[in-house]
Amino acid sequence: AQSVTQLDSQVPVFEEAPVELRCNYSSSVSVYLFWYVQYPNQGLQLLLKYLSGSTLVKGINGFEAEFNKSQTSFHLRKPSVHISDTAEYFCAILDTGGFKTIFGAGTRLFVKA
Amino acid sequence: DVKVTQSSRYLVKRTGEKVFLECVQDMDHENMFWYRQDPGLGLRLIYFSYDVKMKEKGDIPEGYSVSREKKERFSLILESASTNQTSMYLCASSSFPTGGQGAGNSPLHFGNGTRLTVT
Repeated sequence: AQSVTQLDSQVPVFEEAPVELRCNYSSSVSVYLFWYVQYPNQGLQLLLKYLSGSTLVKGINGFEAEFNKSQTSFHLRKPSVHISDTAEYFCAILDTGGFKTIFGAGTRLFVKA
Repeated sequence: DVKVTQSSRYLVKRTGEKVFLECVQDMDHENMFWYRQDPGLGLRLIYFSYDVKMKEKGDIPEGYSVSREKKERFSLILESASTNQTSMYLCASSSFPTGGQGAGNSPLHFGNGTRLTVT
């Protein structure tokens, strides 16, 4: 069975501070890894993805994530957050031969002035 | 840009009613999905379809059915709505995997969701 665990349900942070949102996954097969973001009253949109190659991937809005195979983690980072980054962030996996994307429970990021 | 449109933003229905949630995508995507989103549980897959008239159960299909008569439209049906089906419903689509990294190059594109309340 596959699963995704997001270690923090809520992360409050001050504007311009760095942030890390943690994600661990479990899978017996190879997977692709994704981070999606959901702004208030909207659907989800893709932030970044890891398919292969360099373990550090860059996404939109200054976010990046690092894939660590030995720790089965895919943590999301941003060096300096803005108020507009306030949203819910979802880590997800998709096995390389499948259709079903498995999502974590989400992490609510609150950026305070 | 891909557009996935869900017909209703908010819906209030009574217990026992038959409910239809409609989703249309405009990018000729082969795959379409219905998820429900609940606080603390993330997104859970209800049903998906990889072709017209084809459907597959997801992780929580009980109490739901789907219909895909045309490629661009995927409907979720609650045969007899119950209060435990009060939730946010998200439709998504993706293209058929192509290229060396297959499914990884076909991320999901989501609609804005339908918040369904069953009273």
